[in-house]
Amino acid sequence: LAKTTQPISMDSYEGQEVNITCSHNNIATNDYITWYQQFPSQGPRFIIQGYKTKVTNEVASLFIPADRKSSTLSLPRVSLSDTAVYYCLVVLSNSGYALNFGKGTSLLVT
Amino acid sequence: DSGVTQTPKHLITATGQRVTLRCSPRSGDLSVYWYQQSLDQGLQFLIQYYNGEERAKGNILERFSAQQFPDLHSELNLSSLELGDSALYFCASSVSYLALGVENTEAFFGQGTRLTVV
Repeated sequence: LAKTTQPISMDSYEGQEVNITCSHNNIATNDYITWYQQFPSQGPRFIIQGYKTKVTNEVASLFIPADRKSSTLSLPRVSLSDTAVYYCLVVLSNSGYALNFGKGTSLLVT
Repeated sequence: DSGVTQTPKHLITATGQRVTLRCSPRSGDLSVYWYQQSLDQGLQFLIQYYNGEERAKGNILERFSAQQFPDLHSELNLSSLELGDSALYFCASSVSYLALGVENTEAFFGQGTRLTVV
């Protein structure tokens, strides 16, 4: 399983764009990159998934450079309600293993 | 609302006791995943069931067991409880038999059961 590294915490102000970068240096050819969001005392919620280049949905964008050794989750114009923990997951595409989420990035928006 | 229902929401019990946590997956989802979240460990994968069969096993203790019934609901049984078992236990469901994070395997999490062992 690819190991991921992300900042423990980040602060932002309302209306700002927030970029959270995840490093996954040993990502395998078939690995996808997935981000989940978790609010306090709630279960995680799927945000976005990508394989390469850029993916955008109504919530966020995911930027993946050509070497795929990192990825950046971009949250446009954050609000107070975006305060949450954000998890980056990288899993072998054919793996039968569900993985541990790690500790994620705690984003505080004020 | 994710469509995944977990009961009970809160549980307080004494050391040495046994408890059962219940999870009803979203309609149509065949996979159920159990996760444990404690303050210092983050979200740890315990076990996955797919259509009644054990699919994958993670960091699940021998004192813990799970099963998935024909109606697809799942139960996580925790026995000989210790103080360190106090945590949030989440259940997630998916249509896929694959692991979370695999292509197109979006999982939906319940609100969790907060277990306090005293």
